[in-house]
Order: sequence, then structure tokens, then C-alpha cells
Amino acid sequence: AQRVTQPEKLLSVFKGAPVELKCNYSYSGSPELFWYVQYSRQRLQLLLRHISRESIKGFTADLNKGETSFHLKKPFAQEEDSAMYYCALSGPLIIQGAQKLVFGQGTRLTINP
Amino acid sequence: DGGITQSPKYLFRKEGQNVTLSCEQNLNHDAMYWYRQDPGQGLRLIYYSQIVNDFQKGDIAEGYSVSREKKESFPLTVTSAQKNPTAFYLCASSTGALGGYYNEQFFGPGTRLTVL
Repeated sequence: AQRVTQPEKLLSVFKGAPVELKCNYSYSGSPELFWYVQYSRQRLQLLLRHISRESIKGFTADLNKGETSFHLKKPFAQEEDSAMYYCALSGPLIIQGAQKLVFGQGTRLTINP
Repeated sequence: DGGITQSPKYLFRKEGQNVTLSCEQNLNHDAMYWYRQDPGQGLRLIYYSQIVNDFQKGDIAEGYSVSREKKESFPLTVTSAQKNPTAFYLCASSTGALGGYYNEQFFGPGTRLTVL
């Protein structure tokens, strides 16, 4: 069964400190992993995906298949990073098909000034 | 912030009543989705549709029904058979799989349903 686990419901760090939001997954094949973010009074939106291997707003995430993890990291937290973060997984690509995402429980990140 | 609209923003229902949540998109996306969000449980997929006149059950479809008669619209009906319908409901859409990978899902603002 597909499952995504975010062990921390709440995470609080000081501005300028490093941030790591944990995500572990359970999937028998080769998953696609994503991080979605919801800022206050805004819609849920894609932050980054593992296949792109890019840095968005200073955040990076590396897929570790051995540890089945996809932790989100940022070396220096900023106050505007405060938001709800969801890790999500989808199964194999279905050509021209809809994507079934499985979400984790979410982590609320608060950056203290 | 257009693209996907959901109405109403808040909805109150008496027990035993069916209610329909609206979801409209003008992004020309083929795929549309309905999720339910409960505190501490993240988002769970209710139904999804890859194309007009086609839809499939997600992980928690019991007590819900959908239709996809138009590309732009994907309404969700919460029936009286749904045991615990009070939740936040999110609609999303995407272009589906293009270019060898899935494109991102775009989300609506959500509808909060409360059963009285």
C-alpha cells in the first residue's frame, strides 16, 4: 500500500536557522515525490518535485530510496517560510492519465523572528 | 487568483440531506480531482476524472458521487450515506501526464462543509 508519513505535526525554528521537514514513504515501485505548501490565506500549491532536482525558494529535497525518504531542507529559514507543508507521492506515470496523489498528514512550520 | 473556483465557501447541511459542492476550472485541464482534508490526516482522494464522462473512485469514495459532463466542471455530491461528512473539501485539476511526467495539480480555495 502507498503511504506517506510526516512524523512532525508542528515544527518551530528561529529565523536564519536550518530547517528540515521529514517525509518517509512506503511504495513498492518507483514513486514520484512532491512537496506541496499552503501559506496563510493562500491555496495549496506545488513547491517542488524530486524529478526536477531544483531548488525553489531555497528549499531542496533529495529522494533517498534506501531510506525511503524525501526530506525537505533549507539552510537558512525566513519568516515567509511559515506555512503548512505536505509531502505527496504518486505511482507510475499513466500516459495522459490523471495522477493519484497520496498525501502525508502535513507539518506546520513556524519561523520565529 | 482564478483558474479553479469552488462554491460555496461554507456549507451547512442537516443530517439526511444530500448536498452538492461546485468545482469549475478555466485552465483547459483534462484531469480533475476531489480531496477531503481533515485535521491531522492530510488530504485524501475521493474521486478523480481523467476526461469528460469518465471518473474513478479514489481512496474514500463511499458516500460520495460525482459527474463530469463538461470539461470545466466536476461537482461533488455528499450523500446522506456519508457517515462523517464534516470536513474541508478541495478540488484540483491538472493537465494530466504530458512530457513524460505528471504536471502539477492546481487547487481551488476549498469548501468547508458542516453537518448540523
